[in-house]
Amino acid sequence: AQTVTQSQPEMSVQEAETVTLSCTYDTSESDYYLFWYKQPPSRQMILVIRQEAYKQQNATENRFSVNFQKAAKSFSLKISDSQLGDAAMYFCAYRNPPYNNNDMRFGAGTRLTVKP
Amino acid sequence: DGGITQSPKYLFRKEGQNVTLSCEQNLNHDAMYWYRQDPGQGLRLIYYSQIVNDFQKGDIAEGYSVSREKKESFPLTVTSAQKNPTAFYLCASTSLLTGLAGGRNTGELFFGEGSRLTVL
Repeated sequence: AQTVTQSQPEMSVQEAETVTLSCTYDTSESDYYLFWYKQPPSRQMILVIRQEAYKQQNATENRFSVNFQKAAKSFSLKISDSQLGDAAMYFCAYRNPPYNNNDMRFGAGTRLTVKP
Repeated sequence: DGGITQSPKYLFRKEGQNVTLSCEQNLNHDAMYWYRQDPGQGLRLIYYSQIVNDFQKGDIAEGYSVSREKKESFPLTVTSAQKNPTAFYLCASTSLLTGLAGGRNTGELFFGEGSRLTVL
């Protein structure tokens, strides 16, 4: 089964600064999806950004961007101009496409603290 | 509004009792999932279902059971065989359809607000 590894249990950033969260995954597939989800204290999972493996261009969503390195099986999340509301648990996730064993796997998470 | 509803939000159970967590979605999604979340361990897959009357075990299915009699509903029963059931449980769903003209599915899972189960 595919595995997702987040090697940073906790990270801290100063407000308005930039922080990068790391994620690596293991798969033998060539077609898949990657995601970053945010879980604030309310525990509602919120999609931050997605990347499809066949797309070479890195995804961006406002202050959030990814560095997708397919050969290295790496998928890091960069948060620019960090805000207090960015404080949360961040989960990296991998999913096979619907035609291939449709489950989604998550990393253990990184707790991000934003200092004012 | 469309979404996923989990109930109850908080549940207390005595040892030896079975309990059922409800998950209902009105997004017309095909696939539904149950995850368990423990501190420091992320989300672990319990069961998932891609179609009515069919479901597959995830990584930690022992002590749990599910049913999928309707497309909208995917209840999870935590049985007395589950040795350490105290946890936060998340239900999710997603569409398996491709877009128009063969466009690709976005792939994301949509989540409910979760249910916190505590064994007394």
